[in-house]
Amino acid sequence: AQSVTQLDSQVPVFEEAPVELRCNYSSSVSVYLFWYVQYPNQGLQLLLKYLSGSTLVESINGFEAEFNKSQTSFHLRKPSVHISDTAEYFCAVNAKETSGSRLTFGEGTQLTVNP
Amino acid sequence: EPEVTQTPSHQVTQMGQEVILRCVPISNHLYFYWYRQILGQKVEFLVSFYNNEISEKSEIFDDQFSVERPDGSNFTLKIRSTKLEDSAMYFCASLVGGNEQFFGPGTRLTVL
Repeated sequence: AQSVTQLDSQVPVFEEAPVELRCNYSSSVSVYLFWYVQYPNQGLQLLLKYLSGSTLVESINGFEAEFNKSQTSFHLRKPSVHISDTAEYFCAVNAKETSGSRLTFGEGTQLTVNP
Repeated sequence: EPEVTQTPSHQVTQMGQEVILRCVPISNHLYFYWYRQILGQKVEFLVSFYNNEISEKSEIFDDQFSVERPDGSNFTLKIRSTKLEDSAMYFCASLVGGNEQFFGPGTRLTVL
């Protein structure tokens, strides 16, 4: 079984400031890691994922996340946020060895970018 | 770009009534899922479906719930007798066989 903890339920920041959204996970098996974003009144969109290889993964809109196996973390960062980044961000994991396994989500972090 | 679609976008029902939520997964995908998100809470797994049968279900997915892939394109979630606590956003997702689950826009179910 897996569990995911997002340490901050709400993160308010000013535009152009850096931000880090924290995610820790627990699992008895190896996992894939994901960040999903949910804009108001919309569904879940994949932001980025870690499967294997380089522990630093990047999205097309400037976010990056680093997999740290020893700390079982997958924190999401952006060096300079925009108003349009305001959304709920969910960290999720699923088991590597099982094809099509369920995603286990964290509680979510509401990122609010203020002008 | 292919996408997962869900209908209706919003369903209002009376407690005790049956509802069917519909999803059209991406056409060549093999795994199908339902998740739900109660307002203000995290997204929770309900059930996964592969090769025309349930492959995994959570403790939430009790006898009141059922899933079906009636015609090779639709994937439905039925709740037989809705309760107030079934009010939530229900998301369908599909997977071709890699690891990225594609989510639909969701159906908001309101039980009165």
